[in-house]
Amino acid sequence: KQEVTQIPAALSVPEGENLVLNCSFTDSAIYNLQWFRQDPGKGLTSLLLIQSSQREQTSGRLNASLDKSSGRSTLYIAASQPGDSATYLCAVINAGGTSYGKLTFGQGTILTVHP
Amino acid sequence: DAGVIQSPRHEVTEMGQEVTLRCKPISGHNSLFWYRQTMMRGLELLIYFNNNVPIDDSGMPEDRFSAKMPNASFSTLKIQPSEPRDSAVYFCASSFASGSNNEQFFGPGTRLTVL
Repeated sequence: KQEVTQIPAALSVPEGENLVLNCSFTDSAIYNLQWFRQDPGKGLTSLLLIQSSQREQTSGRLNASLDKSSGRSTLYIAASQPGDSATYLCAVINAGGTSYGKLTFGQGTILTVHP
Repeated sequence: DAGVIQSPRHEVTEMGQEVTLRCKPISGHNSLFWYRQTMMRGLELLIYFNNNVPIDDSGMPEDRFSAKMPNASFSTLKIQPSEPRDSAVYFCASSFASGSNNEQFFGPGTRLTVL
C-alpha cells in the first residue's frame, strides 16, 4: 500500500527566505506526482504535476523535483511571501492497477511566512 | 471554464437524515473523484469514475454511502442515514486521464455537519 509522508509538518519563515518542502513515498512505481496548495477553508489548487519520466517542473517561484528511485520529491519556493502561507500537499498516482488517476495524499506541510 | 462546481457549499443536518452532495466536473474531463477531508484522517479517496463508470469504490466507508454518475457532467454522493462521524469536507475533483498526465482539479468542497 502506497504511503506518502511530508516533512516538516509545519514551517514558519520570515519573508524573503527560500525554502524546501519534502515529500517521500514508499512505492516508487508511480505515474506522476502532484503538488497542491490549500488555503484555510478552501479547496485544493494544483501547483505542479511531474510525470514519472520527468525530473523537475517549474512555475514562477516554484520548482518541484522528483527522484522516483529514492521515492522523494521536493518543492522549492524562492523568495517566499506572506501570500505563500497555506498548507502544501503532495500526492502520487500509482502505476499499478488502473491508470485513471487515483491519488494518495500526504498529510501536508503548514507554511507560515511572516512579514 | 468555471472549474469543478460543487453544491451545496455548506450543509447542516441532523443525524439520520439523507444528505446529497452534487458535483459538476470540468467539461471534457473523463474522470471524476470524490474525496473526504478530516483533521484526523486527512484527504481520503472515496470513489472514482472513468467515463461515468465506477472504477474503484473501496474507499467508501459503509453501505450508507453511495455515488452515481448518470452522465459526463453530473455526479452525486449520497449518505443515508447520516451520522455525526460523517461530518467532514467533501471534495469532488476531475481530470482528463491520458497516459501519465492525470492532473486533477478540485472543487471548492462541501462542508458537511451532522448534528
